[in-house]
Amino acid sequence: NAGVTQTPKFQVLKTGQSMTLQCAQDMNHNSMYWYRQDPGMGLRLIYYSASEGTTDKGEVPNGYNVSRLNKREFSLRLESAAPSQTSVYFCASSTGLVSPLHFGNGTRLTVT
Amino acid sequence: QKEVEQNSGPLSVPEGAIASLNCTYSDRVSQSFFWYRQYSGKSPELIMSIYSNGDKEDGRFTAQLNKASQYVSLLIRDSQPSDSATYLCAVNSQIQGAQKLVFGQGTRLTINP
Repeated sequence: NAGVTQTPKFQVLKTGQSMTLQCAQDMNHNSMYWYRQDPGMGLRLIYYSASEGTTDKGEVPNGYNVSRLNKREFSLRLESAAPSQTSVYFCASSTGLVSPLHFGNGTRLTVT
Repeated sequence: QKEVEQNSGPLSVPEGAIASLNCTYSDRVSQSFFWYRQYSGKSPELIMSIYSNGDKEDGRFTAQLNKASQYVSLLIRDSQPSDSATYLCAVNSQIQGAQKLVFGQGTRLTINP
């Protein structure tokens, strides 16, 4: 039972490049999330999907897009990476919006 | 005022002592409260959840909830060096018309042998 799987684990981008972070869960959870974590800033919600077919902005959505491909998969896309997007990104899932979150192992992204 | 506040620490506790971590929240109607542990370079993992006023014990961990005072705490008894980590408090809150979990910034705990 893999839980929440994120790929890649590490990525280095140049300013202006694009990339997609992939996330899949095998727990049959309804809700999925993307967070970023920066030193001193805690976990900040980028986007979330309450259920398959819906997506909503979180606290820091600018510069990102998401796709809830199906119930299992939720991807995060950076269209034109900026140094301010250097961070650790976590995908998470839960049965519902106020249920405990289960996190993936994270993606460490550096934008130069 | 931040929705969920924690003392960022670092909090230093001798091995074998009780570590006490505190969290306050601003949404009076919050119903779900969670404590996560995050080791350096790792992802957060859920260690406790609490939904009702009072204490909830799980092994060496006790979560305490006081909705009237809007605080939730985590006690770690017989602290071990392996408990050294950042502890994140998460509380559900109504934001922009939807219920979401809001995280505090975390308290860094160090257990000294």
